[in-house]
Amino acid sequence: QLLESGGGLVQPGGSLRLSCAASGFTFSSYAMSWVRQAPGKGLEWVSAISNSGGTTYYADSVKGRFTISRDNSNNTLYLQGNSVRGEDTAVYYCAKVSGWHSVSWYSQEWGQGTLVTVSS
Amino acid sequence: QSVLTQPPSVSGAPGQRVTISCTGSSSNIGAGYNVHWYQQLPGTAPKLLIYGNINRPSGVPDRFSGSKSGTSASLAITGLQAEDEADYYCQSYDSSLSGSVFGGGTKLTVL
Repeated sequence: QLLESGGGLVQPGGSLRLSCAASGFTFSSYAMSWVRQAPGKGLEWVSAISNSGGTTYYADSVKGRFTISRDNSNNTLYLQGNSVRGEDTAVYYCAKVSGWHSVSWYSQEWGQGTLVTVSS
Repeated sequence: QSVLTQPPSVSGAPGQRVTISCTGSSSNIGAGYNVHWYQQLPGTAPKLLIYGNINRPSGVPDRFSGSKSGTSASLAITGLQAEDEADYYCQSYDSSLSGSVFGGGTKLTVL
């Protein structure tokens, strides 16, 4: 099970910190990712992190502003976002990644999502 | 615009067969990276339908099938049912972007 938290209203230029608590599987064995969906729009892959946390990837739209991290001792995934903009408004999903080493990333397990609204 | 191109909408009558295309390029599907498909009902998280181009997770009906050729992939749904009405997304990896990419999504309407 994946349970996101940390969503809410954020001012433009401010910061967000999302958490995703994992249970029911060996968290430290799986890569994880964040995917977002703006209101009425499609899915957008945001970031991914290896099982150890040593390798990270970002979409160009968030590179340099967002940081993905994980705490394997507490089975938790994080997404820190700085200098947020209106276009960062979205439901953010965390997802368990399969196919990591074959670069065939897909997700069978998703959280319920947490809404981040960037507005003054 | 999305890196992977899908038709915005498709429709079909109950019992019919529909296909949803996903067109990429030489840096993603054409480079040999696998394509995966998701179904998303309103207000819910995506559900994995097809992984590795053609594989169905346990519990997904065999009415859903995937294929891939060249720089494109397709999702076929046979025996359309009312509950199939949803948004469908393809996903692959893009070597130029060094990350995963989704198609823009296709809304399936069951007439």
